[in-house]
Amino acid sequence: DGGITQSPKYLFRKEGQNVTLSCEQNLNHDAMYWYRQDPGQGLRLIYYSQIVNDFQKGDIAEGYSVSREKKESFPLTVTSAQKNPTAFYLCASTGALNQPQHFGDGTRLSIL
Amino acid sequence: GDSVTQMEGPVTLSEEAFLTINCTYTATGYPSLFWYVQYPGEGLQLLLKATKADDKGSNKGFEATYRKETTSFHLEKGSVQVSDSAVYFCALSGRGSTLGRLYFGRGTQLTVWP
Repeated sequence: DGGITQSPKYLFRKEGQNVTLSCEQNLNHDAMYWYRQDPGQGLRLIYYSQIVNDFQKGDIAEGYSVSREKKESFPLTVTSAQKNPTAFYLCASTGALNQPQHFGDGTRLSIL
Repeated sequence: GDSVTQMEGPVTLSEEAFLTINCTYTATGYPSLFWYVQYPGEGLQLLLKATKADDKGSNKGFEATYRKETTSFHLEKGSVQVSDSAVYFCALSGRGSTLGRLYFGRGTQLTVWP
């Protein structure tokens, strides 16, 4: 079945560490997105990519970085510059920009 | 800019009660509108959508009508079940320079008791 796979499901970070969250899709979608979800705040856009080798900052890009070297992959790195990284991170993709986005099951990041 | 406002939760209902979750939006042009549902520990799933004024989206007994005159897209279900307990998000798609972006409301937690 086609879908979006996020890994790991749970991730722990030590102070001063960078961590990378994986997002892979086999839907042949051009556009991919990263969101951060905090309780009571809905989803906030971190970065998005509408085509391979190109990406744009969303509303809360500070402290995060991404790459889009392959169509099916859009990894997110949470850097040590992100001072409050504890959250639920969701990856999404779409095949057409005015169509619904499909979501992965998320990665929950916590600080040790 | 584009934005979505949802009614505050949580909403608690008894099984078979009628559900309404209000959603209003602000947008330039005529966005597509969506309702997503999120079950505990999972990602979001598309529940229904509407792409133009007066369209009615429906799925699994849920309905929402795109009302341009009131800029609303309220979610309704005539008889809720315990299995409908989840968080519901209203969203709109950007147009023009924001094409490809989704703008989400803050989500409404629904709990249904047997």
